[in-house]
Amino acid sequence: EIVMTQSPATLSVSLGERATLSCRASQSVSSSLAWYQQKPGQAPRLLIYDTSTRATGIPARFSGSGSGTEFTLAISSLQSEDSAVYYCQQYNNWPPWTFGQGTKVEIK
Amino acid sequence: EVQLVESGGGLVKPGRSLRLSCTASGFTFGDYAMSWFRQVPGKGLKWVGFIRSKPYGGTAEYAASVQGRVTISRDDSKSIAYLQMDSLKIEDTAVYYCARRELYSDYWGQGTLVTVSS
Repeated sequence: EIVMTQSPATLSVSLGERATLSCRASQSVSSSLAWYQQKPGQAPRLLIYDTSTRATGIPARFSGSGSGTEFTLAISSLQSEDSAVYYCQQYNNWPPWTFGQGTKVEIK
Repeated sequence: EVQLVESGGGLVKPGRSLRLSCTASGFTFGDYAMSWFRQVPGKGLKWVGFIRSKPYGGTAEYAASVQGRVTISRDDSKSIAYLQMDSLKIEDTAVYYCARRELYSDYWGQGTLVTVSS
């Protein structure tokens, strides 16, 4: 099973500043990496798939990069509505598909 | 508008069975694989399994943690995916989500809470 490790656990960023979230895989997942946003009491929302492709309706301030074992989600200018937990998920090696433990983004 | 609505959750005793439903609308259900995930409140997301669309065999794949106790099925005529859970354990307590697609999931339901307790 591929282990996905996200860092940091919590990220505090000021409004309008850049947020950078990391996700590391225990072995290569090629570019088969997705990012989700989850707000309290809500279902996850797909942000990015195939490492860097934004899902339908996702603002351009969200971007993904990386390959192999190291991946990054960047939020270029943090908005208040971006406060949430963010999860990465690999879908290269199964079963199972695996998620990181999440990074909580807070407004400083 | 794509919508997924889970139902069937609730309180169940250990060892019992439960069937969750995921009713889809807003897209051609039969063209898509459907996935199930679960999340213990306050914890992270776990993949449970998925079922392929009929053109791709309509077969299902499962996480090892639920293999043998869980069956995913689908009724394309009703646009419903099912998650049958047998021999439930306390550690199966979670919010269960259905979602569209089998690799990454682009649309998710709101989830249904399953509580396994005596």
